[in-house]
Amino acid sequence: GQNIDQPTEMTATEGAIVQINCTYQTSGFNGLFWYQQHAGEAPTFLSYNVLDGLEEKGRFSSFLSRSKGYSYLLLKELQMKDSASYLCAVLDSNYQLIWGAGTKLIIKP
Amino acid sequence: EAGVAQSPRYKIIEKRQSVAFWCNPISGHATLYWYQQILGQGPKLLIQFQNNGVVDDSQLPKDRFSAERLKGVDSTLKIQPAKLEDSAVYLCASSPFSYTYYEQYFGPGTRLTVT
Repeated sequence: GQNIDQPTEMTATEGAIVQINCTYQTSGFNGLFWYQQHAGEAPTFLSYNVLDGLEEKGRFSSFLSRSKGYSYLLLKELQMKDSASYLCAVLDSNYQLIWGAGTKLIIKP
Repeated sequence: EAGVAQSPRYKIIEKRQSVAFWCNPISGHATLYWYQQILGQGPKLLIQFQNNGVVDDSQLPKDRFSAERLKGVDSTLKIQPAKLEDSAVYLCASSPFSYTYYEQYFGPGTRLTVT
């Protein structure tokens, strides 16, 4: 079966750095997405990785290792508005998006 | 550019009643998705349309759920009859194409409560 694992919840301090991990087992791989979802709102796109390595976009970076079936989202200089759920999703061999359950990130002052 | 529109935003119905949701995707987007998101879980794909054809409806409970996308633009999702476990947020998303990388753009969702 297809499976995506993320921690259920994480807590971090304003101004700090946090890394949210995602491991996946899917039938094929055509890329990995990270989405941000604030409570009561729709998911919004953060990043897409299809090749191994680190993609940096401002305060957010996303890393992929295809051989390990592993990705992480790195958030720097945390702000209170970063409190949200972060969803990892993998595009499988049929170009279907397989979603993880999301990681709820709580930022404390 | 206008985003994905959905209505209604909230709906409360009793079990065994019927309900319909409407979605208008971003202009020019060929692919439209309906997701069900239960609180604390990731989105679950119900159905994917490419223009007005169905690409994937393998997780759609076809005994009670139906969806259509007439003319390849807007779409409706219907539940008839509703069950308590259908309480969730129903998200509509669109993207330019389905068979390559494109991010999905989500609408605000419809929060359904079945009592």
